[in-house]
Amino acid sequence: ETGVTQSPTHLIKTRGQQVTLRCSSQSGHNTVSWYQQALGQGPQFIFQYYREEENGRGNFPPRFSGLQFPNYSSELNVNALELDDSALYLCASSLGTGEWWAPGANVLTFGAGSRLTVL
Amino acid sequence: AQTVTQSQPEMSVQEAETVTLSCTYDTSESDYYLFWYKQPPSRQMILVIRQEAYKQQNATENRFSVNFQKAAKSFSLKISDSQLGDAAMYFCAYRSLGIQGAQKLVFGQGTRLTINP
Repeated sequence: ETGVTQSPTHLIKTRGQQVTLRCSSQSGHNTVSWYQQALGQGPQFIFQYYREEENGRGNFPPRFSGLQFPNYSSELNVNALELDDSALYLCASSLGTGEWWAPGANVLTFGAGSRLTVL
Repeated sequence: AQTVTQSQPEMSVQEAETVTLSCTYDTSESDYYLFWYKQPPSRQMILVIRQEAYKQQNATENRFSVNFQKAAKSFSLKISDSQLGDAAMYFCAYRSLGIQGAQKLVFGQGTRLTINP
């Protein structure tokens, strides 16, 4: 069984640009969530997608948006980049709502993240 | 809103010794999940152990065990026989039991654990 893979691993952008980060979920998982981890901090929940629909969002502005595809992979898009967007972006997959009773349903499997630097 | 607090930014322990990492949380919910995740320099968040709040028995996973005190809203992690590979950032996390809606994790600030040979 493959784990969660993210791309790119590192990237550098300038203020005002747009960025797209990608995530392939673990086999058998139908839910993807994204987290932002600033340096020295714990991850902060951005949003979650379940069966291609956003079903939860944290305290992030609309310029943070996402997609989930039929194969359950996902993208995180950030428009109008700001310096404070510099962070590690973590993707996590899980067996989502509707199958909450299944073994492992409440366990998130994380990828290694994409390190974004905004100059 | 739920909050998670880890009051120890850094901890160190001698190899083969035992160390305990602290975590407290605040919630008005009666049922929820608690987790400890490990984040090594490779950056990938790895699940160490989890606890369902409705279970009174403390979870254990080999050398890792928790002391779950529901009334005190405390959830500490004990690592026995510490090994060099245990060196990492450790995050305590909370998740509501909600059947519907996002499986949102609320993380603490983390504790950096150093293992001294």
